[in-house]
Order: sequence, then C-alpha cells, then structure tokens
Amino acid sequence: EVQLVESGGGLVQPGGSLRLSCAASGFIFSSYEMNWVRQAPGKGLEWVSYIDGSGSTMYYADSVRARFTISRDNAKNSLYLQMNSLRAEDTAVYFCARLYEQVMGVWGKGTTVTVSS
Amino acid sequence: DIQMTQSPSTLSASVGDRVTITCRASQSISSWLAWYQQKPGKAPKLLIYKASTLQSGVPSRFSGSGSGTEFTLTISGLQPDDFATYYCQQCSSFWTFGQGTKVEIK
Repeated sequence: EVQLVESGGGLVQPGGSLRLSCAASGFIFSSYEMNWVRQAPGKGLEWVSYIDGSGSTMYYADSVRARFTISRDNAKNSLYLQMNSLRAEDTAVYFCARLYEQVMGVWGKGTTVTVSS
Repeated sequence: DIQMTQSPSTLSASVGDRVTITCRASQSISSWLAWYQQKPGKAPKLLIYKASTLQSGVPSRFSGSGSGTEFTLTISGLQPDDFATYYCQQCSSFWTFGQGTKVEIK
C-alpha cells in the first residue's frame, strides 16, 4: 500500500526551529518528486516546497524561502522539512504529498505545527 | 505568480442536485488544473487532473472542463459523501490553490 506518514510537529516558540519528516512506503521513493503543503487553522491549502527525485532541485514559496529547507534521504525513503525562524503565521497542518504528472496524487495525514509563546 | 479564484465560496445543495464550481486563473494555464476534495480533519484527495481527467477510483459523477483561464468542476447527482470542501490547483507554474468552495447541506 502506498503510504506517507508525517511526524515531527509540535509546539515551538516564535523564532524557534522544527524538523518535519515524512516516511514513504509502498513505492519507489526515489522515482517521485515530493512536496510539502500546509493548511493554517480554518484556512485553505498553501504549497510550501518542492524537491525532485534526486534531491538536486528544490523550490520554495515566497513565504518560507530562506527560512525553510526541504531535503530527502532516498536510502531511508524519507522527506524532510527543516523550519527555522518560525513565525506565528507558520502555524498549520503540514502535509507531504507525492507528485506525479505535476499533481499531488498521494498525501499523508499531516502533522500539526503550532508557533506560539 | 498565478492566482486562482474559486466561486462560490460556499454552496448549499441537496442530495441529487447538479453542482458546478468555477475556478479562474490570473493567466493562462492551458489544462494544468487539478481538483481536490477535502473533508474536515483529513488530507485532500485528488479528483481530477489535467482539467478533465478523472483520477482512478473517483466516481464518474465528478467531471471537469475548461482550459486557459476558466475551469469548472461539476458533480452530477450530489451524494451524501460529497459534502466537503473543494479546491482547484494550478500546476502550470509551481502550484497555487484556490481558496476553496464548501459544499454544504441545504
């Protein structure tokens, strides 16, 4: 079964850091581009970051560029999001999603990040 | 950046109704448009991609149309399981979602 499971969310103070993980199973992880998408409480979906299958090309939304870093370890079938200089507006559920033909066909259940003092 | 605008924001309908949601892109995206369904506390689910291609396993009452800047999602014969929030997403230049359309029970 194709599955994505996020972890690493929690409560962090403004200015703090957090590292999210996404464990993939049921497919050849290295063959797929991956994304992080977030959803603030009661709000819509916002694309956050992209990484290609080899981990050599990354893109970021303007709202997180220079603060967040996406990476992957294909040997461990894992995707990561390092989040630094966190702000209250980064509070959201963070989803990892598998990309195929430019669309996000497989999603994890999400992990919740709360930035608050 | 490409902006996506959905209408309406909320739609009240009854079981069996035909429902149409509209999505407009701020510039042409050809057919690089997807539709997702999301229920409270759950991850989004891909329904349609490339504007009109039905994702495997999605009921045929869902259909999509359009190209360029105007797109529609139609649900023909609304079912109880269809009450949810629907998002369009452009994937022509990075990825941008519409603000969502909540389909609620009338």
